[in-house]
Amino acid sequence: AQSVTQLDSQVPVFEEAPVELRCNYSSSVSVYLFWYVQYPNQGLQLLLKYLSGSTLVKGINGFEAEFNKSQTSFHLRKPSVHISDTAEYFCASSTMDTGRRALTFGSGTRLQVQP
Amino acid sequence: GAGVSQSPRYKVTKRGQDVALRCDPISGHVSLYWYRQALGQGPEFLTYFNYEAQQDKSGLPNDRFSAERPEGSISTLTIQRTEQRDSAMYRCASSLYSGVREKLFFGSGTQLSVL
Repeated sequence: AQSVTQLDSQVPVFEEAPVELRCNYSSSVSVYLFWYVQYPNQGLQLLLKYLSGSTLVKGINGFEAEFNKSQTSFHLRKPSVHISDTAEYFCASSTMDTGRRALTFGSGTRLQVQP
Repeated sequence: GAGVSQSPRYKVTKRGQDVALRCDPISGHVSLYWYRQALGQGPEFLTYFNYEAQQDKSGLPNDRFSAERPEGSISTLTIQRTEQRDSAMYRCASSLYSGVREKLFFGSGTQLSVL
C-alpha cells in the first residue's frame, strides 16, 4: 500500500523568500512522484513529476523537486516566491504497475505568500 | 472545450436521493478518472476509464456508487440513496495519453452537499 505525508498543512512566507514544501512517501514498490498545485476555484494542475533518471526535477513556474530514495522524500522548492504562488500544493504518488494507475495524494500544504 | 468541464458546479440534495455528476473531458482524451476530495484532504481515487472500459473501480466506497463512460467521452458518476458522509468535492480528470506519458487535467469539480 502507498501513502503520502505532507508534514506542513500551512506554510506562510514573505514574497521573494525561498520556500520548501515537504513530502514523504511510503511504498513497498517503486513509485512515480508528482506535485500538483490548486488555485482557488480551479482544478489541480501538474507542477512537475519524477519518473526516473535525474533526481532533480524542474517544473513550471520556477519550482523544482528532488527525489531522495534513501529518505523517501520528494520536497518541493522555489528560490524566490511571488504573491501569485499562493495556493494549495499536493504531493502524490503512483506505482509503476500499469494495472493500478490511481494517484495517492497527500493532504496538501497551503502556501501563503505575504507582501 | 478548452478544459475538463464538470456539471453541476454545486449540488445540494436530501439524504436518500440519487445524484448524477457529469464530466466532459478534453476532446480526444482517452483516460478519465474520478476522485473525491473531502474538506482539508487530498483527492481520493474512485475509478478509472480507458476509453469506454472501466479499468479500475477499486476506489468506489460501496455499491451505491457507480460510473459509466458509454461512448468513451462523457462520463457520469452516480450516487444512489445519498448519505451525509457522501458530501465532498467530486473531481474528474482526463489525459490524452496513458502510461508514463499520462498528464492529468483536472476539472473544477462538483461540490456535493447532502442534507
